[in-house]
Formats: sequence, structure tokens, C-alpha cells
Amino acid sequence: SQTIHQWPATLVQPVGSPLSLECTVEGTSNPNLYWYRQAAGRGLQLLFYSVGIGQISSEVPQNLSASRPQDRQFILSSKKLLLSDSGFYLCAWTVYNEQFFGPGTRLTVL
Amino acid sequence: AQSVTQPDIHITVSEGASLELRCNYSYGATPYLFWYVQSPGQGLQLLLKYFSGDTLVQGIKGFEAEFKRSQSSFNLRKPSVHWSDAAEYFCVARGRAGNMLTFGGGTRLMVKP
Repeated sequence: SQTIHQWPATLVQPVGSPLSLECTVEGTSNPNLYWYRQAAGRGLQLLFYSVGIGQISSEVPQNLSASRPQDRQFILSSKKLLLSDSGFYLCAWTVYNEQFFGPGTRLTVL
Repeated sequence: AQSVTQPDIHITVSEGASLELRCNYSYGATPYLFWYVQSPGQGLQLLLKYFSGDTLVQGIKGFEAEFKRSQSSFNLRKPSVHWSDAAEYFCVARGRAGNMLTFGGGTRLMVKP
């Protein structure tokens, strides 16, 4: 069966610090992978998606970046966090026209 | 532009009462349609989906949704709500030729005892 992992589950970081969130999937190959952000009290915003290794598309210009170093690994990064980067970050992947979400990472920037 | 609208931001129902969450979409062609539920601090769980065929689809946890092409709607229903159904519900659409999901703004459901 396919599963998706995200870590860490929660993270508290000071403004200006770097960020690295990791997402890995199991039980599939060459998945389409996505990063979403959910700010408090708001819907989901697509940040990045990837259709293959090294292939990243950005949906929203910001101080975040994404990388896909391996087929089943998707990383969300920032060199300097902003207060507005606080939120709930969800990794997702698509199979057979359905999208499945990871458990999420709660990021608080202080 | 493609969009999904959930008109109700908050809904409160009594336990045991029926529930209907509204969803309208605007797409060039009929998209794939989904309902997801998100409990506080959790990821999103798929409740049900519509691809084609029978317009009344059954999902998990006793939920169902009805696709109405004429109204561009995909409303979620449950005949009797349980306290554990309190969560946020997202209506989601995906174009049949594309890769991207379009999310509604979400409806937060509260259940009174």
C-alpha cells in the first residue's frame, strides 16, 4: 500500500532562520508530488508541484523553494523564514486521479 | 477561471440532525469532484469522489454527495450527524485533463450535543 510521511510534525522557528521540511512516499514510483500551505482560518494554497526528479513548478512567488532530489522525496525549504510563513504545510501525491495528503507539519515562526 | 465555492464558512448542527454542506464549481468542463475532511491539527482525509456515472456517490463515515450538472453543484450530506463529525470540510475539483486541484474555502462544522 502507498503511504506518505512528513516530518517534523511540529516546528517552532525564529524569524530569519532556515527551514527544511521533508516529505517521502512509499509504495509507488514516479508520483506527482505537491506542497500546500494552510494558513490559520484559511483554505489550502498550492505552493509547488513536481512531476519528476529535479522538476519543480512554483505556483506562488515567495521566499520558499522546493526540491526533489529523489523520486519519492520532496523537500520544502527556506533560507530565511518570515512571520507570514507560519501555517500548516501539507505534502500530497496523486494516484489514479485522487490526491492523498500527508499528516502535515505545523510551523510556527516567532 | 476555475473556482470552487463553499458558501457557508461555519455551520452548526445538533447531534443527530441532518447535514448538508454546499459546494459549487466553475469549470470549463465537468471536473472530477472530491470532498475531504480535516480534523483539527490533522491532514486531509478523502470522504468521497465523483468521476462519472451515478450522480449520487457514497463515501466513508456515512456521507454521500450528489452531483448536479445543471446547478454546477456537489453538495455533501449526512442523515444524522455525530459529535465526531465536527471538523472542516473541503470541496475540491480537478480538471479532467490537468494535474491541479482547486480547493473551496472550506466549511467548519460544529456539532452541538
